[in-house]
Amino acid sequence: DAKTTQPPSMDCAEGRAANLPCNHSTISGNEYVYWYRQIHSQGPQYIIHGLKNNETNEMASLIITEDRKSSTLILPHATLRDTAVYYCIVRGGGTSYGKLTFGQGTILTVHP
Amino acid sequence: NAGVTQTPKFRVLKTGQSMTLLCAQDMNHEYMYWYRQDPGMGLRLIHYSVGEGTTAKGEVPDGYNVSRLKKQNFLLGLESAAPSQTSVYFCASVDSYYNEQFFGPGTRLTVL
Repeated sequence: DAKTTQPPSMDCAEGRAANLPCNHSTISGNEYVYWYRQIHSQGPQYIIHGLKNNETNEMASLIITEDRKSSTLILPHATLRDTAVYYCIVRGGGTSYGKLTFGQGTILTVHP
Repeated sequence: NAGVTQTPKFRVLKTGQSMTLLCAQDMNHEYMYWYRQDPGMGLRLIHYSVGEGTTAKGEVPDGYNVSRLKKQNFLLGLESAAPSQTSVYFCASVDSYYNEQFFGPGTRLTVL
């Protein structure tokens, strides 16, 4: 699976949009971009995933560049409860059997 | 629908003792996983299973064994615990379309 690079930490003001970047320059054509978050040592929580098109759900939006070498997770109106570690993961299909390779992620701190 | 549950939530072992961690899911998922997370680190895959009666090694399998006798349960065993196995253990399951991986709440294991 492709390796990802994320900033170690970011800050965001409550109510503002949080934009979390991720580089995955070695991603291959059949690999998906997944985002998970982990709040205070709980089990990771799925946020969103995409292949090449931008995606949106009730939690967030995922913007993938046209060359697919980077992506941005957008939390449109961050709240204090969004403070967490956010993991960007590139996962292949086929024989990868859904295995996820976690890096160290980005610690997002939302402040009042 | 309980999702993914893990038993026990906490455990303290002495070096050399053995124990089994139980993961159960009620979503009829085929694939199940065991991860460990050390302080300040991302999750690392220990073992996984792609169906009842099957298991496979992940990134850090040494010192652990697993069994998947029933589709809904995935057991992780430590035959002779070592202090290096002090960690938080997370179980996860995913449906066959790989869309979302559901994680349990974790088991905090300390080996003295």
